[in-house]
Amino acid sequence: GENVEQHPSTLSVQEGDSAVIKCTYSDSASNYFPWYKQELGKRPQLIIDIRSNVGEKKDQRIAVTLNKTAKHFSLHITETQPEDSAVYFCAGTGGGNKLTFGTGTQLKVEL
Amino acid sequence: NAGVTQTPKFQVLKTGQSMTLQCAQDMNHEYMSWYRQDPGMGLRLIHYSVGAGITDQGEVPNGYNVSRSTTEDFPLRLLSAAPSQTSVYFCASSRTTLSGNTIYFGEGSWLTVV
Repeated sequence: GENVEQHPSTLSVQEGDSAVIKCTYSDSASNYFPWYKQELGKRPQLIIDIRSNVGEKKDQRIAVTLNKTAKHFSLHITETQPEDSAVYFCAGTGGGNKLTFGTGTQLKVEL
Repeated sequence: NAGVTQTPKFQVLKTGQSMTLQCAQDMNHEYMSWYRQDPGMGLRLIHYSVGAGITDQGEVPNGYNVSRSTTEDFPLRLLSAAPSQTSVYFCASSRTTLSGNTIYFGEGSWLTVV
């Protein structure tokens, strides 16, 4: 099955700086890679996703890049704000109906 | 539009007791699943269903049963609760198979087994 590894587990940045979270996956059949943001005590919420036929996708301050050859994808958040503080999860679908999550990154944006 | 609704939100069980976590969605989604979330381990898939009458195991199915008699409902049963099942449980659904279809999570159910 799919194995998704996520790094770093914690990330602290100054407000206004950029944050980058990286994930690798094992199943070359994976074709869909969503990113979720989870605030304390809340449900995970989709923030951006990318399909395997696209190398990069951007939505305002958030962007995701995908390198199929190396089997890794990354989340980039620019101009970070305190409200960006949360746990972020990457995920991959593998070849079937199972969504496998990374172990999460605790992002802290400091004033 | 309620989305994905889970009940109960909080539950305390004694070891050996059984219970059912309820999940319902009103979006006519074919795909439903259950995850558990533990500190440092992300979300792990317990069971999933691609349609009424069809269920399959995920990564951590032991100790849990599911059924999908209707499109809307996907209950998760703990047969004999153990302290290792203390966790936060999330039900999720998506329109069809996962690839390219947004998965929507319920608000979560906090379960403590003592």
